[in-house]
Amino acid sequence: QKEVEQNSGPLSVPEGAIASLNCTYSDRGSQSFFWYRQYSGKSPELIMSIYSNGDKEDGRFTAQLNKASQYVSLLIRDSQPSDSATYLCAVSVYSGAGSYQLTFGKGTKLSVIP
Amino acid sequence: DAGITQSPRYKITETGRQVTLMCHQTWSHSYMFWYRQDLGHGLRLIYYSAAADITDKGEVPDGYVVSRSKTENFPLTLESATRSQTSVYFCASSESSGSNQPQHFGDGTRLSIL
Repeated sequence: QKEVEQNSGPLSVPEGAIASLNCTYSDRGSQSFFWYRQYSGKSPELIMSIYSNGDKEDGRFTAQLNKASQYVSLLIRDSQPSDSATYLCAVSVYSGAGSYQLTFGKGTKLSVIP
Repeated sequence: DAGITQSPRYKITETGRQVTLMCHQTWSHSYMFWYRQDLGHGLRLIYYSAAADITDKGEVPDGYVVSRSKTENFPLTLESATRSQTSVYFCASSESSGSNQPQHFGDGTRLSIL
């Protein structure tokens, strides 16, 4: 069973601070990793993807990947109340016959306090 | 507008009834997926499809039936609904099966079975 683990939270940070969201995964062969944001009552929305070790920045978001440690994280700089949501970590896992599926963590709920 | 559309958005039905959830995408994506999302379990894959007339089971397929006669449509049927199938259902699609392919989600169907 391929697993993706996230702290469920809630993670509370003050407005303007850096929010750090963490994810570990069990499948050493995983190559691709995604972060989704899900507002309450809404569908998951892709915000970042990362495929290589190191950092990838997109605006206020930075994804970090360490394949040796099987660890991926998402940093949100200058957090805003509008960032309050549940963040889902997803890992691409080989499912056979040339196909890949996403395995999702249960998500970390982030609350940004004004 | 291009995208992925689910219908209905909300559905209430009774145990033992058949119910079909619809999913339509305009991106011409090859792959389509059905997930259910429940508190404490996160997103779990029910079925997926690699192309028209090609479907395969996911993590929790029991009690569900899918078909894909056209690339753009991927309906999910609960043949005899049970209360345990009360959930939020999301349809998703991806361009191909590659490891680096993200999935894009519809708005979801909130299904209640009384």
